[in-house]
Amino acid sequence: SAVISQKPSRDICQRGTSLTIQCQVDSQVTMMFWYRQQPGQSLTLIATANQGSEATYESGFVIDKFPISRPNLTFSTLTVSNMSPEDSSIYLCSVDQGGLGNTIYFGEGSWLTVV
Amino acid sequence: GDSVTQMEGPVTLSEEAFLTINCTYTATGYPSLFWYVQYPGEGLQLLLKATKADDKGSNKGFEATYRKETTSFHLEKGSVQVSDSAVYFCALSAPGYDYKLSFGAGTTVTVRA
Repeated sequence: SAVISQKPSRDICQRGTSLTIQCQVDSQVTMMFWYRQQPGQSLTLIATANQGSEATYESGFVIDKFPISRPNLTFSTLTVSNMSPEDSSIYLCSVDQGGLGNTIYFGEGSWLTVV
Repeated sequence: GDSVTQMEGPVTLSEEAFLTINCTYTATGYPSLFWYVQYPGEGLQLLLKATKADDKGSNKGFEATYRKETTSFHLEKGSVQVSDSAVYFCALSAPGYDYKLSFGAGTTVTVRA
């Protein structure tokens, strides 16, 4: 299975600041995804990030708030901008290793608390 | 659109009890189906999967069978342990939607010694 590393694993952030989360995969993958899990909730897809193209955002998520980079086939970043307490969540990176939607793995998540 | 409906929790069991978590789905085409597990304080781990009708996924004593006729993918384990205490998520990935995952609400399972 793909090994997915996320940094930071946890952080406490001040209101109004921005934080960039990194996701590194140990193999080349076409599709990477960013999810958010708010406290006690299920996962919600933020955006799909393919190398060489702009990220595709889901309804309710915008690039100004969650800019994403995908510079190569093994790495992506998600920035949470101008944070508020409502952004306190786990942010998870996910990859479709097989490229066919049937082998999908997650990183350990980045647990952000905004104070 | 695609969706997953998962049994409401929380579920509390005694050790060695039988566990079933119901999951039904709505999707166009032929989705892949997954169960993920989230242990306390950790990220998501893929527990098992099935990619076509009548496939059975299994791992760590857990099983789930892809039932197209009932659009279901129920998770079962015959004898749970305290270490199985976690949140379980049913999910689907449908072709034609860039293989995004649609998740159920999650079921919290607590196993008591």
